[in-house]
Amino acid sequence: KNEVEQSPQNLTAQEGEFITINCSYSVGISALHWLQQHPGGGIVSLFMLSSGKKKHGRLIATINIQEKHSSLHITASHPRDSAVYICAVPLTGGGADGLTFGKGTHLIIQP
Amino acid sequence: DTGVSQNPRHKITKRGQNVTFRCDPISEHNRLYWYRQTLGQGPEFLTYFQNEAQLEKSRLLSDRFSAERPKGSFSTLEIQRTEQGDSAMYLCASQGSPDTQYFGPGTRLTVL
Repeated sequence: KNEVEQSPQNLTAQEGEFITINCSYSVGISALHWLQQHPGGGIVSLFMLSSGKKKHGRLIATINIQEKHSSLHITASHPRDSAVYICAVPLTGGGADGLTFGKGTHLIIQP
Repeated sequence: DTGVSQNPRHKITKRGQNVTFRCDPISEHNRLYWYRQTLGQGPEFLTYFQNEAQLEKSRLLSDRFSAERPKGSFSTLEIQRTEQGDSAMYLCASQGSPDTQYFGPGTRLTVL
């Protein structure tokens, strides 16, 4: 079964700062998910990636399959980016699996 | 495409009562997943369906929990004889192709 570690658990930064959140997992995977959860519970899928790098607006996700590591970056951070960011991978590595999740990184961007 | 919907959004019940939650996935998504999230933790996998077949169940899903997806469309999750430890957010997600899971808003259960 895959194990997921995320760091940091909590991160407070000033508006405009470059943010990095890290995720490591233990079992080879077909794809890794980055999710965003706002207060109130709604989860939004930000990225699903299996190699290299993806960019969407100010968000960038990278993955190194050999090192079993992924990072989520936020450029020019804004208070509306404040949320919990969660990394998730398939339980046993396959694409149809249920996901296992990191504990999340609670990000606060102060104006 | 209206996204994944879940009902009810909130449920408060007394210990020992039965509760049932419903999930309506994105139409034509053949995979449907249930997760549970307790306060301050990431979600945990409970079970998943491919069409109407329940293919995997976590050991977290005790005998008091049952999930169905009778026609391969919506799904229900029932908890019998609820306990205070069942208080959590119950999340549903659906997946078509490619392998992105789309999450519903969740049902927050409070057991008094």
